[in-house]
Order: sequence, then structure tokens, then C-alpha cells
Amino acid sequence: DADVTQTPRNRITKTGKRIMLECSQTKGHDRMYWYRQDPGLGLRLIYYSFDVKDINKGEISDGYSVSRQAQAKFSLSLESAIPNQTALYFCATSDLLPAGELFFGEGSRLTVL
Amino acid sequence: SQQGEEDPQALSIQEGENATMNCSYKTSINNLQWYRQNSGRGLVHLILIRSNEREKHSGRLRVTLDTSKKSSSLLITASRAADTASYFCATVLGTYKYIFGTGTRLKVLA
Repeated sequence: DADVTQTPRNRITKTGKRIMLECSQTKGHDRMYWYRQDPGLGLRLIYYSFDVKDINKGEISDGYSVSRQAQAKFSLSLESAIPNQTALYFCATSDLLPAGELFFGEGSRLTVL
Repeated sequence: SQQGEEDPQALSIQEGENATMNCSYKTSINNLQWYRQNSGRGLVHLILIRSNEREKHSGRLRVTLDTSKKSSSLLITASRAADTASYFCATVLGTYKYIFGTGTRLKVLA
């Protein structure tokens, strides 16, 4: 089984719908991140969490919310999806070592029509 | 604006040749990391070089860092078809801010 698991892997939805992307990890890491990848723009940070009670906005948090249900689970929600949120979304984790390597899930491809 | 920018955007080489890709950045960093992404998959960490290091090796990978020029290069020696992927540099500011470049698409022809 993968260390960082994202569900769903693919989702097509309509404008205005609420969408939740889920991430769970078995690495025992405290730090979890949500990134968005768009062609030509690299990865951009949406939200990050250092532990269950510490959640922070990244550079592009507008239109998104997150929930850290447990150390191992970090969910990303789009309350009212819009077409320009069509992208590939990645969850990542890192351990407490500052600025260490990131461990990524396989991604969730979201299409908003 | 992007902190890290890779060059070239795309690279096509024959199997057995070396592949070099470069990353430039703008501000002081904690460390710089390189990741590989196979098409439509998650990113996989390749190597980390700290700001006080100049060169690092891992298998067929060689990374250099020039903090005076704010640039890094990734060399893959004796490329294989399986090396076909996109490669991203990530500059790390402080303890949590990872800024990714737009990537270099490498194609290794068998």
C-alpha cells in the first residue's frame, strides 16, 4: 500500500458543487500539505498543517478549505467548485526535520465543468 | 513570481547520453531539492542539497549548487528510457515553504 493515499484519483463535477478530496498517510508524519499543479505553473501551495491543531493558508487558499481530522488524515474541500479549479491536486507529508523531503500521493485529478 | 525556474523546458536525448537541467532561483534558501514526476503521477524526491554544500551525488545523479549565482544543476549520467519524466527543482525557504519550478520534461529515446 502507498504511504500517502489520495481519494478520489479522478473526479468530474459541475460548477457549484461541493467537492472533498481526501488524503491519508501511514508515514506517521505530523506535517501535511495540499498542492495544486497546473500546466506551466508548477506546484502551488494551498494549505499546510503542522499538526492537528495547526492549519495554515498557503499562497492560493481562496476558494478552498481543509480539515485535519487526525494526524494521518487531511482533507481538502472546494465549497462551490468553479472551472478554474480544474487541476491536479497533490497531498504531501514531511517529518519534523525542518525543510526535509516531501512525500507525495499519486494525485487527484479534478475537472470542473 | 516563480522562485525556481528550470531550463530547458524540454530535453530529448538518446539512451546512454547524459542529461543536464538547470534551476535558477531568486532569494536565499535553506536547501534545494530535486523531484521526478512520471506522467500523471506523484512527485518522487531525488536529492537534497543544503545551502552550504556545493555538490552532491546519488547513484547516477549529480547535483551542484552555486549560491552566488542562485542556481543549481541536475546531471543524470548514462540516461535510460526509464528516466523519461518531468524533473522539478524545489527551493526551500525557512522550514516549510517549498517553491517548485515549472519543470523540465526529459525524454530518453531508446
